[in-house]
Formats: sequence, structure tokens, C-alpha cells
Amino acid sequence: DAMVIQNPRYQVTQFGKPVTLSCSQTLNHNVMYWYQQKSSQAPKLLFHYYDKDFNNEADTPDNFQSRRPNTSFCFLDIRSPGLGDAAMYLCATSTDATGTLAKNIQYFGAGTRLSVL
Amino acid sequence: GQNIDQPTEMTATEGAIVQINCTYQTSGFNGLFWYQQHAGEAPTFLSYNVLDGLEEKGRFSSFLSRSKGYSYLLLKELQMKDSASYLCAVSGGSYIPTFGRGTSLIVHP
Repeated sequence: DAMVIQNPRYQVTQFGKPVTLSCSQTLNHNVMYWYQQKSSQAPKLLFHYYDKDFNNEADTPDNFQSRRPNTSFCFLDIRSPGLGDAAMYLCATSTDATGTLAKNIQYFGAGTRLSVL
Repeated sequence: GQNIDQPTEMTATEGAIVQINCTYQTSGFNGLFWYQQHAGEAPTFLSYNVLDGLEEKGRFSSFLSRSKGYSYLLLKELQMKDSASYLCAVSGGSYIPTFGRGTSLIVHP
């Protein structure tokens, strides 16, 4: 089945120790997103790729970086995790959808829950 | 910017009907989405509205009024498995939806 896969499901890291979260998709979608979601809060968009074009949200800390080496894979790098970065990280994909009547349904992976000790 | 407001929590009885409201303020509008998210899992797509009116899909229906900046998700014949968070998301000027905080629905016997 076509899907969005995130690895690992659970990640524990130490304060300040770099960590990388991965996402892959078999949907062949052009757009890939990374969201941060803390308990009982809305998913917060960190950045997205439209094909190879990287789009960073204005309030995304410099501590967060991303790479998309090809259509299928996207990585989230946290260079120096702090306690406040403990959260669920969600990867999502969507088709190339623009225009007034175009849908932009997002397909999410199961998420990676990051703990920072 | 965009502002999306939905109730934090609702409770309902198995077999009943529940309506979850969402109000929004956006600059531009390209559609409104509802997603279901079970605890610890990823959001899954439920419905999409871009024109005014009601969209029905099985036990779930979604309504939109663009002039009022208002939508609701209607869940009929509630089942225990419907206990989840329901996220309202709005596409404004860009094609990327902004999510609300979600409404936690608790269905009890």
C-alpha cells in the first residue's frame, strides 16, 4: 500500500546531542512537510519542500534543518535538541495542488515521538 | 495570518449525534479540512469543503459557511472508536492548511 513511513517511532536523545528523524513516501507526492506537535496543541508547520524547493516557516528555529535528497525521502535534523524540543514530529505529503478549487489533502506518517533527556 | 477556533473538549454518548464547530479568520480561502487524530497517532483525512453547504460521507458530514467563517463536523451513530481529537484546518492564501488545536471527543457507553 502507498504510504508515508516515519522512522523511528520513538527516539530518545540527550540534551544537545544531534538527532535525525526520517520520512519516506511511496505516494510520489511533490510536497513534503514537517510538523511539530506538542501535547493537546495544533500541529505546527516547521517547513516544507515543494519538489526540491525548501520553504522555511518564519518562526522555525535555526536549530531545525531539513534535507530532501530525492522525491521519496525527507529528513529532519535537530542540531542541538533542548528540553523544549520534546514533541511528536509528523511528516506529511500532498500532491501539487494550487488554485481556488484544488484540494490539498495531506497524508501523514505515524509520527516520531522525541524525548530529550 | 489565520485564526482557527474550536472547542477543547466534548463528550457524547454512544449512538448519539455530536456537532463539532470550527470558526476561522483567514486572508484568502482555499478550503477547509477536517482530520481525525487518535491519541499518539497521525491525523487522517475526513472531509474537505470549499463551497458553502453540506458534504455527507457515511456517518460523518461537514458543513461550511464562507460568509460566516464557520464550519462544523457532524458525527452520527457515535461509536466508541470515534473517541479521538478532531482537527479543523484551513487553507488561506497559500495552499498549505493551518491547523486548529483540535477538539477532543470522548464517547462513553
